[in-house]
Amino acid sequence: DVKVTQSSRYLVKRTGEKVFLECVQDMDHENMFWYRQDPGLGLRLIYFSYDVKMKEKGDIPEGYSVSREKKERFSLILESASTNQTSMYLCASRDRGLRNEQFFGPGTRLTVL
Amino acid sequence: DQQVKQNSPSLSVQEGRISILNCDYTNSMFDYFLWYKKYPAEGPTFLISISSIKDKNEDGRFTVFLNKSAKHLSLHIVPSQPGDSAVYFCAAGGDDSSYKLIFGSGTRLLVRP
Repeated sequence: DVKVTQSSRYLVKRTGEKVFLECVQDMDHENMFWYRQDPGLGLRLIYFSYDVKMKEKGDIPEGYSVSREKKERFSLILESASTNQTSMYLCASRDRGLRNEQFFGPGTRLTVL
Repeated sequence: DQQVKQNSPSLSVQEGRISILNCDYTNSMFDYFLWYKKYPAEGPTFLISISSIKDKNEDGRFTVFLNKSAKHLSLHIVPSQPGDSAVYFCAAGGDDSSYKLIFGSGTRLLVRP
């Protein structure tokens, strides 16, 4: 079974702090994704990565950056956290093969005060 | 501009009856569609998918129907069980060379015992 883990289930930060969210997958997947989930808005793509050191902006990249130095790890960085970044953050990975589904981690509930 | 829409935020069904969750999309270039199920405080889990070349895919109690002319898909759950109570997201992808999925806003299903 694919396993995607995220470093924290719950996180509370203050406005202006730099925040790191870590995601690790154990199935050698090439593609990894960061989403945020907000009520009534579904899942919105922040950034994704095709492979190591490669990254592409998603639909809402403003205020975020990412890092993919190793194939199994994809980090989301909030350079200066703001209250409107309070959300559920979900990481996913996908094999480059024929299957289209993405496999999700358990999520990180981030609260910015 | 939402490319994937789930217009019913919630649905309540009696145990044993059929649950029908609906999803509409606007981009005729989508190549595949997926349904995910999400419990509170967990990441979404893949449920079932369908390619744009098919009009039906079945997996146990779950069946997805695709009507390309209407740009509409639906998920049928028969019979519904209390454990099916969750938020269901439809997603679409394959309209470009990336592996992005576009998600709907979700429908909360409650199956009453």
